Amino acid sequence: DVKVTQSSRYLVKRTGEKVFLECVQDMDHENMFWYRQDPGLGLRLIYFSYDVKMKEKGDIPEGYSVSREKKERFSLILESASTNQTSMYLCASSPMKGSNSPLHFGNGTRLTVT
Amino acid sequence: QQQVKQSPQSLIVQKGGIPIINCAYENTAFDYFPWYQQFPGKGPALLIAIRPDVSEKKEGRFTISFNKSAKQFSLHIMDSQPGDSATYFCAASIGNTGNQFYFGTGTSLTVIP
Repeated sequence: DVKVTQSSRYLVKRTGEKVFLECVQDMDHENMFWYRQDPGLGLRLIYFSYDVKMKEKGDIPEGYSVSREKKERFSLILESASTNQTSMYLCASSPMKGSNSPLHFGNGTRLTVT
Repeated sequence: QQQVKQSPQSLIVQKGGIPIINCAYENTAFDYFPWYQQFPGKGPALLIAIRPDVSEKKEGRFTISFNKSAKQFSLHIMDSQPGDSATYFCAASIGNTGNQFYFGTGTSLTVIP
């Protein structure tokens, strides 16, 4: 069974801090994604990656960056956290480009920025 | 702009009822339509999915109905149970764009015993 593990369930950070959210998948998936989930807005794509050292902007990349140094690990970085980045962050992975394969999600990191 | 519009935002039904969640889309290039189920404290998990070459797909008590001409699809849950209480998301994607999914805003379903 695919496992997508997000390193923290809850994080509380201060405005202006640099924040790292880590995600690891154990099924050798090529694609990895970062979404944020907000009530009434559903899931919105921040960044995704098809391969190591490769990244693509999603719908709401402003204020975020990502890093994928290894195939199994995809990190989301908040360069200078702001209160409007308080949200649930979901990491996901899927097997290959162009195959309509379903997304496998982690259990999320709830980030609060004060 | 919301690529996939989902309704209702919340739904309460009695046990045994048949909740129906509706989604609509505009982009005719979408070719894969999954539904995800999310329980509190968990990430979304794939429930059932359909491609536009079929009008209906059933898996257990869950059925997707797909109307290509109306660009609408819906999830029906037969004989609903309290354990079905969760948030449901519809989504759409275009296969050759590398699995970029567009999600609806979610429906919170409560099934009352």
